[in-house]
Amino acid sequence: QVQLQESAPGLVKPSETLSLTCAVSGGSFSNYYWCWIRQPPGKGLEWIGYMYYSGSTNYNPSLKSRVTMSVDTSKNQFSLKLSSVTAADTAVYYCARGRSGITPPFDFWGQGTLVTVSS
Amino acid sequence: QSVLTQPPSASGTPGQRVTISCSGSSSNIGSNPVNWYQQLPGTAPKLLMYSNNKRPSGVPDRFSGSKSGTSASLAISGLQSEDEADYFCAAWDDSLNGHYVFGTGTKVTVL
Repeated sequence: QVQLQESAPGLVKPSETLSLTCAVSGGSFSNYYWCWIRQPPGKGLEWIGYMYYSGSTNYNPSLKSRVTMSVDTSKNQFSLKLSSVTAADTAVYYCARGRSGITPPFDFWGQGTLVTVSS
Repeated sequence: QSVLTQPPSASGTPGQRVTISCSGSSSNIGSNPVNWYQQLPGTAPKLLMYSNNKRPSGVPDRFSGSKSGTSASLAISGLQSEDEADYFCAAWDDSLNGHYVFGTGTKVTVL
């Protein structure tokens, strides 16, 4: 069974860079999209972006200028950096696996980690 | 801000049929398949439906999906108490070099 586990600092100061890592176990890294999705408290889901296993990326246009994703296949993990954070970036951050497809279905998700932006 | 619009809430009694709509545009639902996710309280979302009407293994056949034009729907037949959750539609949007969009979400309450 594929499992994903996010790790991140629970608190980040405004204007700093948020760094998250997702460890993947129980499955291959190849031929999948590795994704980040967030959910502000009490609100809906927002797609942040994904990185294909080969390294190509696609980011949410509204976040693109602040987002960087990377993958380390040797460690079976992928990462997200979000720069210049503000209180609006406070959210539960999920990592997920996307299967191939025009609209990739996200079939496995991490449990999510709450990141709060506050001084 | 979501570009896929869903009703904020829907409800029904056990055994009833509930339908959730998801309205988009030609650049997303009109051109690309729709997926649906179920989010039980306090948990991560779970893939419920993909490619408009395909159920992943383990999803009961009480759940069905459809798409017509720029709208999609998720139906729950024989509503059960464990179906009380938030439901989100999602689709690829071809605008702005392509990106993934989620619906606004619908809270289903079992009365």
